[in-house]
Amino acid sequence: QVQLVESGGGVVQPGGSLRLSCGASGFTFNTKNMHWVRQAPGAGLEWVAFIKYDAKKTYYADSVRGRFTLSRDNSKNTLYLQMSSLRREDTALYFCATDKDWGFDYWGQGTLVTVSA
Amino acid sequence: QAVVTQEPSVTVSPGGTVTLTCGSTTGDVTRGHFASWYQQKAGQAPRAVIYDTTNKHPWTPARFSGSLFGGKSVLTLSGAQPEDEADYFCLLSYDTSWRIFGGGTKLTVL
Repeated sequence: QVQLVESGGGVVQPGGSLRLSCGASGFTFNTKNMHWVRQAPGAGLEWVAFIKYDAKKTYYADSVRGRFTLSRDNSKNTLYLQMSSLRREDTALYFCATDKDWGFDYWGQGTLVTVSA
Repeated sequence: QAVVTQEPSVTVSPGGTVTLTCGSTTGDVTRGHFASWYQQKAGQAPRAVIYDTTNKHPWTPARFSGSLFGGKSVLTLSGAQPEDEADYFCLLSYDTSWRIFGGGTKLTVL
């Protein structure tokens, strides 16, 4: 069965950096486009970034463009989100998700990022 | 900047039928927005329900359906069950790097 397991979350100071990982199993990772979606505490969902299956194209929400970098290692079935210049408003539960026709199908359980001094 | 609109809360009786809508401040929602819907129960990750406006995932119960009506994407639940009580979020994809969720609808089955 499809499994997505996020890791790497934690507490970081404003201006700091963090790298999230998403380990994938149960499907052919190198054929699937992937996304990150986040959810601030008590709030709704926000799409963050998208990467094509072959890592040749990445796309970002305006709120993170220039600060976050999405990458993947298809040999390790792993997706990465490098986050830098973190702000308090980046505090959220970060989910990775598989792409399905401009939406998402499978979701991980999320990893919590807290930006606080 | 577009805003995706959803009803904040809706209540349905067990066994009843309810529609949740998803609109856009930029104009009518069309097939070109590839609307999708997600169910999220308290403390859980979202679960995909509908993709590309009308399509169900293999795990989506038959009582859920998606459509377009009145310039909005619509999620219809026919024969609501207690386990359908959850928050429902729609997503509109305006462009590859412009994908916006609605604020969510809290569905109560009561």
